[in-house]
Amino acid sequence: NAGVTQTPKFQVLKTGQSMTLQCAQDMNHNSMYWYRQDPGMGLRLIYYSASEGTTDKGEVPNGYNVSRLNKREFSLRLESAAPSQTSVYFCASSWGADTQYFGPGTRLTVL
Amino acid sequence: KNEVEQSPQNLTAQEGEFITINCSYSVGISALHWLQQHPGGGIVSLFMLSSGKKKHGRLIATINIQEKHSSLHITASHPRDSAVYICAVRSDSGGSNYKLTFGKGTLLTVNP
Repeated sequence: NAGVTQTPKFQVLKTGQSMTLQCAQDMNHNSMYWYRQDPGMGLRLIYYSASEGTTDKGEVPNGYNVSRLNKREFSLRLESAAPSQTSVYFCASSWGADTQYFGPGTRLTVL
Repeated sequence: KNEVEQSPQNLTAQEGEFITINCSYSVGISALHWLQQHPGGGIVSLFMLSSGKKKHGRLIATINIQEKHSSLHITASHPRDSAVYICAVRSDSGGSNYKLTFGKGTLLTVNP
């Protein structure tokens, strides 16, 4: 089992460009999450999907959109990237309120 | 809003020492998680607990619900334990609330 996979691992964007971060899990989890991690701050929830077909805003949703494509896949889209979105992005999945399993992260730089 | 505070922010120890990292939170919770993140690495869940104590190898996690406090202990610390340790809590607001609130982490360095 691969667990939680994320692509790409690294990305550099110019201000205003768009991109989609991909996340997939093979553990048959129903819940999936997108976090960002910035220096000196804890992980912050961007969006989450409690189950297939549902998505909800987290703590810092502005500038992002998500799609729960199916039970396995949960993508995060930046429509018009800004330097403030420079961060490390982590996807995670869980079975309900149980332990969350994290992907390896995507390091995004917006110039 | 649930605040999660960890102490200390940074901790340096000699190999073999007993380590304690603390986590305090401000509202009622249904579960508390301890996670580990190695430099430049991914995040791994160590424990999820809602009461009492759990042990895995040299790691022990305890929680006191009444005092809204948890501790992570590492016995016989080793340089490979060097990592950031993160506390996270899930509030007891009910429903399908699986969201976690995270502390800022404690950077542990264990010197040989």
